[in-house]
Amino acid sequence: DAGITQSPRHKVTETGTPVTLRCHQTENHRYMYWYRQDPGHGLRLIHYSYGVKDTDKGEVSDGYSVSRSKTEDFLLTLESATSSQTSVYFCAISETRTAQYFGPGTRLLVL
Amino acid sequence: GQQVMQIPQYQHVQEGEDFTTYCNSSTTLSNIQWYKQRPGGHPVFLIQLVKSGEVKKQKRLTFQFGEAKKNSSLHITATQTTDVGTYFCAGPVNNNDMRFGAGTRLTVKP
Repeated sequence: DAGITQSPRHKVTETGTPVTLRCHQTENHRYMYWYRQDPGHGLRLIHYSYGVKDTDKGEVSDGYSVSRSKTEDFLLTLESATSSQTSVYFCAISETRTAQYFGPGTRLLVL
Repeated sequence: GQQVMQIPQYQHVQEGEDFTTYCNSSTTLSNIQWYKQRPGGHPVFLIQLVKSGEVKKQKRLTFQFGEAKKNSSLHITATQTTDVGTYFCAGPVNNNDMRFGAGTRLTVKP
């Protein structure tokens, strides 16, 4: 597996609190992605990055923000968590916008 | 908006039977990718198809990309219990925005 880690792996939080998820890679890949996975929806792209400080919105970006200050780190922030953001969050990396390599995922429960 | 649709949603087969999942896009795709996700795991890249009409094989898995580059299929010959998981197709709808199908969940009865 590619060198991708996600932290935390599990988190329980309350509605209205901010949450930050971290994705860290050791592959020096240019592209990084955040997805959420929900039953019946497959994987939906939240935000992606094509370089340090270069990010763009994906299909379901409302309520999420991202930052990438270093090549190896891509942070996803839920500014005010809602129950609809309960999901499994996957980070992925890609060298050439082709094959994506996924991290182990973060299970987030918003009560 | 642009969508990538996948059918069937579920498929249950007896070990040794064949399995096929189909992927359709509302727009022409520059490429299509296939991923497998084992239960409780993360998606794992299987293959990418780029050319119109392209066919690629990986052991018992055969991947096809349609002539119009709007559809694709994954066929598994003689399924085994190790094939269990959810298979996703994915295609770029703009330069960097990947759209995944909802996946086909395969279960195999020994």
